[in-house]
Amino acid sequence: EDQVTQSPEALRLQEGESSSLNCSYTVSGLRGLFWYRQDPGKGPEFLFTLYSAGEEKEKERLKATLTKKESFLHITAPKPEDSATYLCAVTRNYGQNFVFGPGTRLSVLP
Amino acid sequence: ETGVTQSPTHLIKTRGQQVTLRCSSQSGHNTVSWYQQALGQGPQFIFQYYREEENGRGNFPPRFSGLQFPNYSSELNVNALELDDSALYLCASSRGGGRDQETQYFGPGTRLLVL
Repeated sequence: EDQVTQSPEALRLQEGESSSLNCSYTVSGLRGLFWYRQDPGKGPEFLFTLYSAGEEKEKERLKATLTKKESFLHITAPKPEDSATYLCAVTRNYGQNFVFGPGTRLSVLP
Repeated sequence: ETGVTQSPTHLIKTRGQQVTLRCSSQSGHNTVSWYQQALGQGPQFIFQYYREEENGRGNFPPRFSGLQFPNYSSELNVNALELDDSALYLCASSRGGGRDQETQYFGPGTRLLVL
């Protein structure tokens, strides 16, 4: 059975304090790994798609990396507006059956 | 480009009732997926529709059913509501075909409360 775990469950950072979120997955034949950001009471907002080990993607203060067993979302010099829940999802076939992790709740304090 | 929209935004039902949730896909997208998200958890895949046909289903009972229309909008129907059905229901659309199909764009969700 495909599984996705995320750590830590919650993270508090001071503004400017860089850190990383982890997404570990067990899936047979990974096709893609996805990162989303979700604000309270809203739908997830797409951030990145990673397809193969060694791949990296960047967007503003965020950088996502992928290995054969896990992905990291690095946040450099975060700002309070980066506070949200970050979700990781995997799929092993064409768009079906996204398996999401439970998310990491990030709080960035001014 | 219009994003994914869902209606209604909030809904309150009683146990045993039936509910229909609606989703309009993003312009140019022909694939719609539905997810259930309980409080504090990640979304759980319910099913996906591709060109009006069901294209995959998660571990949900048959009382969860759906439709996709020729304009690619979609409905999620839940019969015989149970208290545990209280959740945020998310619709996501994607372009379909090749790697582009994997990237799913989500709507704002419908918050369902079953009393």
